[in-house]
Amino acid sequence: GAVVSQHPSRVICKSGTSVKIECRSLDFQATTMFWYRQFPKKSLMLMATSNEGSKATYEQGVEKDKFLINHASLTLSTLTVTSAHPEDSSFYICSARTDRDYNEQFFGPGTRLTVL
Amino acid sequence: GQNIDQPTEMTATEGAIVQINCTYQTSGFNGLFWYQQHAGEAPTFLSYNVLDGLEEKGRFSSFLSRSKGYSYLLLKELQMKDSASYLCAVTNSNYQLIWGAGTKLIIKP
Repeated sequence: GAVVSQHPSRVICKSGTSVKIECRSLDFQATTMFWYRQFPKKSLMLMATSNEGSKATYEQGVEKDKFLINHASLTLSTLTVTSAHPEDSSFYICSARTDRDYNEQFFGPGTRLTVL
Repeated sequence: GQNIDQPTEMTATEGAIVQINCTYQTSGFNGLFWYQQHAGEAPTFLSYNVLDGLEEKGRFSSFLSRSKGYSYLLLKELQMKDSASYLCAVTNSNYQLIWGAGTKLIIKP
């Protein structure tokens, strides 16, 4: 149980285009989902926290207009990188949490974004 | 500020034991996690400590001292597949996961 999927697993796009990454909880309802970014040999950096049906809470330094997050249902959250640039190339990971245990986060497999 | 420190890299020999240390300073504490991460993959859960003491799970054990802001992950009978990064993370008072930079563990035959 507690499986989280991400799609796509890898994406290569041209500079200036937008990319959407989906995060789904497959066998549980995720009241909260988190989006992380990880650069090579660096730790995970929390970008934003999203609760179903409400606006995402962005961490300091993360541009909300560039990284659009939508948590439309209890099983789906999307991250859209708008007008992507090479510096946005990174590993994006989502995680999901239920109301039953605030301490436990279930991670998706990650999405490798490369912007040319 | 919130800070988690762990060594950048460690090397150990197959079959041996290695201890990876983690110290933390966070705004509140609701538990400490250890995750394993292979290159290009998402973290996978290894252990969770919220009370002081040692939690043993097979070849892996994790220890916590809340008064010292200290934890370690102990890996026994090392196997080549244990070569990975090991991430220490703390849940703060807002239930946010604060991450360490990870310790790259290199296993040599």
